[in-house]
Amino acid sequence: DAKTTQPPSMDCAEGRAANLPCNHSTISGNEYVYWYRQIHSQGPQYIIHGLKNNETNEMASLIITEDRKSSTLILPHATLRDTAVYYCIVRVRAAGNKLTFGGGTRVLVKP
Amino acid sequence: NAGVMQNPRHLVRRRGQEARLRCSPMKGHSHVYWYRQLPEEGLKFMVYLQKENIIDESGMPKERFSAEFPKEGPSILRIQQVVRGDSAAYFCASSLGTEETQYFGPGTRLLVL
Repeated sequence: DAKTTQPPSMDCAEGRAANLPCNHSTISGNEYVYWYRQIHSQGPQYIIHGLKNNETNEMASLIITEDRKSSTLILPHATLRDTAVYYCIVRVRAAGNKLTFGGGTRVLVKP
Repeated sequence: NAGVMQNPRHLVRRRGQEARLRCSPMKGHSHVYWYRQLPEEGLKFMVYLQKENIIDESGMPKERFSAEFPKEGPSILRIQQVVRGDSAAYFCASSLGTEETQYFGPGTRLLVL
């Protein structure tokens, strides 16, 4: 799986949009971009995934650049409960492909 | 639809004892993955199972660790003769199919005294 690079930490104001960047310059054509988050001491929570088109669900939006070398996860209105470590993972959707977690971005939402 | 369930949530063992961690996948899911998170570290893949089969155990330590997913009942991660270095959070994930999204359980926190 391609390697991803994320900033180690970022702060966000409550009520504002949080934009979390991820670089995956070596991504290949059949690799999807997945985002998970881990709130302190809990299990990782799936957020969203995409291949090349932008995606939106009830939790977030995922913007993937045209060359697919980077993406941005957008939390439209951050709340204190969004404080967590966010992981950007590139994964081939092959049979049983495991998830490879990097260091993620530690997001702190401040009041 | 209940999510992935893991029990116990917390487990304390003394060195040399056995630890059994259970994972019940989401309803309809027949693919189970186990991950380990050591203190202050990231999650690391351990093993991937389908019903009655181990598909990928590339992340499993060579000794003392085993996993199963029987035809009936939960998946079991078994650690024999635990050592202090086994203290970690163990997470189970399940998916509907081989290419589908993995959903995680709340984890089992193992403490070895």
